[in-house]
Amino acid sequence: QVNLVQSGAEVKKPGASVNVSCKGFGYAFISYGISWVRQAPGQGLEWMGWISGYNGDTNHAQRLQGRVAMTIDTSTNTAYMELRSLTSDDTAVYYCARQTTSITPLDYWGQGTLVTVSS
Amino acid sequence: DIVLTQSPLSLPATPGEPASMSCRSSQSLLQKNGNNYLDWYLQKPGQSPQLLIYLGSKRASGVPDRFSGSGSGTDFTLKISRVEAEDVGVYYCMHALQSPPTFGQGTRVEIK
Repeated sequence: QVNLVQSGAEVKKPGASVNVSCKGFGYAFISYGISWVRQAPGQGLEWMGWISGYNGDTNHAQRLQGRVAMTIDTSTNTAYMELRSLTSDDTAVYYCARQTTSITPLDYWGQGTLVTVSS
Repeated sequence: DIVLTQSPLSLPATPGEPASMSCRSSQSLLQKNGNNYLDWYLQKPGQSPQLLIYLGSKRASGVPDRFSGSGSGTDFTLKISRVEAEDVGVYYCMHALQSPPTFGQGTRVEIK
């Protein structure tokens, strides 16, 4: 059974960085990519970027360029998303989702990780 | 970026009755291979989104057949043939035509 398990909630100060992990279970990790999607409180969904589980190629949203880094560790079937220079606008639930390529459906989602940015 | 506009934003639904919602794209999502790169997701209260429909009309694994997707090009519709109480939540369309994928603003379905 496919399952994506994310790391726990984080509280960060403005200007800090946050690292969220997403561990895949029940499927061939290297055969799929992982996308990251965030949702600010009471708001809709925003795609942040995608990383290949095969070779680590990435594709990021333009508005986050320079602040976001996505990596994978195939030895542990885990994807990581680091977001730097946090502001209050980055307060959101961050989801990882399995996606074969960056233009295919997001077929399985993690449980979400709440990141709160507050001084 | 492609803009997806959903309507209505709020949809009161009656159990056992049909319901439908719309998603309009700022550009055609139809490719030469005949596929429409439009997906539908449901986010139930307090849960992660889940895939309902992909490529405009294909039901994802395990999705009840009361859900159906239709449309082509720039206009798409999600229909629920007979609404059940468990169908409440926010329905999002998302295009997968090109990077970046973008989402509509969502249609909130609630039971009357």
